[in-house]
Amino acid sequence: DQQVKQNSPSLSVQEGRISILNCDYTNSMFDYFLWYKKYPAEGPTFLISISSIKDKNEDGRFTVFLNKSAKHLSLHIVPSQPGDSAVYFCAASGFGNEKLTFGTGTRLTIIP
Amino acid sequence: GAVVSQHPSWVICKSGTSVKIECRSLDFQATTMFWYRQFPKQSLMLMATSNEGSKATYEQGVEKDKFLINHASLTLSTLTVTSAHPEDSSFYICSARFGPEQPQHFGDGTRLSIL
Repeated sequence: DQQVKQNSPSLSVQEGRISILNCDYTNSMFDYFLWYKKYPAEGPTFLISISSIKDKNEDGRFTVFLNKSAKHLSLHIVPSQPGDSAVYFCAASGFGNEKLTFGTGTRLTIIP
Repeated sequence: GAVVSQHPSWVICKSGTSVKIECRSLDFQATTMFWYRQFPKQSLMLMATSNEGSKATYEQGVEKDKFLINHASLTLSTLTVTSAHPEDSSFYICSARFGPEQPQHFGDGTRLSIL
């Protein structure tokens, strides 16, 4: 049972435009959500997180939006840069539960 | 900050041998470390959670006698794959965090190939 889903395996965006990566979850007990970026042959790098008490968190070019009623979160990257080309994973955990459940990832390609 | 180092990055060994993988937090003290396994084209799957000085908590279906985890200090955890067989070949990756509700920071993983 895939509790965290990233339905788009890949996404291509023109440099300078906005990249929007989506993630859906089914477990209503999840209350902490994270986005990670992964380059080939490297481990995931933490990007940004959001707790369920918020609906938006911003850090530089990265903004995460959380819609609890829809059980949906998204990562916005603006403006997109060539160095943003990587695989992006969303992950979720429940309150007091340390276990992270990962999505299957979305490969983002920024076109110069 | 928040650098996690994992060693070795890849290892090839014969069936029946034991392999030890180290995970170190270089610039912070990790109260909790995690071990994951990733199969091709699948997401990271948590194997076990280890807290410094206590026994690891294994996820359902993970053999604790096959995958020995030691977390002897706040900066080091080890995963030993005992009597490894070809089906143990996989990508193993660790993560660490310095407190509850803090993000996990990942090492670069270990590619294990058992011949």
